[in-house]
Formats: sequence, structure tokens, C-alpha cells
Amino acid sequence: GQNIDQPTEMTATEGAIVQINCTYQTSGFNGLFWYQQHAGEAPTFLSYNVLDGLEEKGRFSSFLSRSKGYSYLLLKELQMKDSASYLCAVMGPEAAGGSYIPTFGRGTSLIVHP
Amino acid sequence: GAGVSQTPSNKVTEKGKYVELRCDPISGHTALYWYRQSLGQGPEFLIYFQGTGAADDSGLPNDRFFAVRPEGSVSTLKIQRTERGDSAVYLCASSPTVRETQYFGPGTRLLVL
Repeated sequence: GQNIDQPTEMTATEGAIVQINCTYQTSGFNGLFWYQQHAGEAPTFLSYNVLDGLEEKGRFSSFLSRSKGYSYLLLKELQMKDSASYLCAVMGPEAAGGSYIPTFGRGTSLIVHP
Repeated sequence: GAGVSQTPSNKVTEKGKYVELRCDPISGHTALYWYRQSLGQGPEFLIYFQGTGAADDSGLPNDRFFAVRPEGSVSTLKIQRTERGDSAVYLCASSPTVRETQYFGPGTRLLVL
């Protein structure tokens, strides 16, 4: 199976930059996802990394190092609406029936204050 | 286009009752997943459909849980003899094919009294 670790909670100031780390252990790797989840809402897709390096998408960037089992999500120019839980999910090896089931971390609750 | 929809949005039931939760995936998405999310936790995998068949049901906690997708589109998660520990948000997600990005529905909040 997969083991995923991310901080439980982080706080940051509006306008600042914050980096949310995710470390993982998996027997096979087929990609890493970041999702944003506001309280009481469904997770929404932010990014997908399968190769090493940095993927930039507007204010959000995601980095992956497969050799280190490490990823981070970088949020720039923080806004109050960025207060949410950020979920790291790892797609492990092919499972039964040809499925690829992502395993989610517990999520990092980000609080952005003025 | 329309996203993943789930009904009901909230369900309150009594211990021992039977419940059905419905998921309507994005049109054309062949892969459908059910997850369960408890407060402060990430989504926990329950079952995966590729087309009409349950390709992977390894996440179902016990035989009280069952899911179907008879026509390869809408899916129903069925829980028999509900227990208080079943209380959680049940999320459905779909993707165009396996291994692609999953898009989640708003979830059904189940409360078992």
C-alpha cells in the first residue's frame, strides 16, 4: 500500500507564499495529485505530477521528486479564499481489475489570515 | 458541462436501516469511484467501476456495503443494517478512463442515529 504524510495544519498571511509538503512511500508510482477542499465541499483538482520537476499553474505550483518520495504545493499571493484543506493523493501500482486507486493523505488545513 | 452529481445531499437514518446513495458521473466518463470521508481525514477508497463491472471492491469495509452500476453510468451505493460508525461523507468521483484525473461530486452526508 501507500503511506502519505502531510502537516495537519498551517497558517499564513494574506499576500504571502506558503509551501505545503507531502512525503510518501509506495511500492509503485503512477502520479501524484493535489486537491483543494473547502469545508463542506467536494475536493477540486489542482495539479497532477508524474515526472520530476515543477509544474506551474497561475498562483499554484506543484513539485515532485520521485527519488525522494516528496512533493510540495506552492501557493503564491495568498488570498482569504485559499483557506481550505489541501489533499495530497498518490496513485500507486496497478491494482485488481486494472484499476489505479489513489491513496489520499489526511489533508493540510490552511488558514489564511489578514 | 455538468459535473458529478450526488443525491441526496444529506441523509439521516436510524441504526439498522437500509440506505441508497446515488451518483451521476460526468457524461462519457467510464471510470467511477466511491470514497468515504470522515471528519479530518482524506477520502478513503471503497469501490471502483470500469464500465458496468466492479473492477475493484477491495475498499468496501464489510458485506453490508454494496454498489452497482448497471448501465455503465449512474451508480448506487447501498448500505444495509446501517451502524453509527457508517456516518461520514460519501463521495463519488469519475474520470474519463482509469489513471486520469478524478472529478468529485459534492458528496452525501450520511448521519446514522
